[in-house]
Amino acid sequence: GALVYQYPRRTICKSGTSMRMECQAVGFQATSVAWYRQSPQKTFELIALSTVNSAIKYEQNFTQEKFPISHPNLSFSSMTVLNAYLEDRGLYLCGARGGSSYEQYFGPGTRLTVL
Amino acid sequence: QQQVRQSSQSLTVWEGETAILNCSYENSAFDYFPWYQQFPGEGPALLIAIRSVSDKKEDGRFTIFFNKREKNLSLHIKDSQPGDSATYFCAASESNNRIFFGDGTQLVVKP
Repeated sequence: GALVYQYPRRTICKSGTSMRMECQAVGFQATSVAWYRQSPQKTFELIALSTVNSAIKYEQNFTQEKFPISHPNLSFSSMTVLNAYLEDRGLYLCGARGGSSYEQYFGPGTRLTVL
Repeated sequence: QQQVRQSSQSLTVWEGETAILNCSYENSAFDYFPWYQQFPGEGPALLIAIRSVSDKKEDGRFTIFFNKREKNLSLHIKDSQPGDSATYFCAASESNNRIFFGDGTQLVVKP
């Protein structure tokens, strides 16, 4: 079956520091990976959509300078939160899709706490 | 403008009842509608999905009813169990482009 792993599951960083999170697809080829942030109210914010062999597309209010993403192959993606502040807290979710498939599978998320 | 709306933030039913979660959308070009189930501390899990060419999709106790003309759909959970208590997200996309999510309905099934 299609599985998506994310690590770390939880992380705490000091305000102004950076942290990197990873996403791995198992059982399928992740041709596109979407990174989301889920608020405490459960609302999803799309940060960016990365498709292999295409430019990474960032949504309004999110930039490459703040959330650089790497998608080097069909099973792995990473995202860094640079200079994290309180407003960056939340659950960061990776959703991966394979080929022309419609189904998007999520990992368990990385919960970021900023002190 | 929010692309996908879920009519209830929360819903409580008794064990054994059918829970009905409603959803509507804006873009008539949307053709794929997944429902995700999320438990506390976990990521959302794909529960069931329907394409716009169908008006019903059934998988065990879960059924999606889809009305393309009215641009709405609903998830029915038959014989609800306390273990079904979770947050359910309706979502939509056009082809395999980005997915738009509703704000979720928190379902509580009382024993």
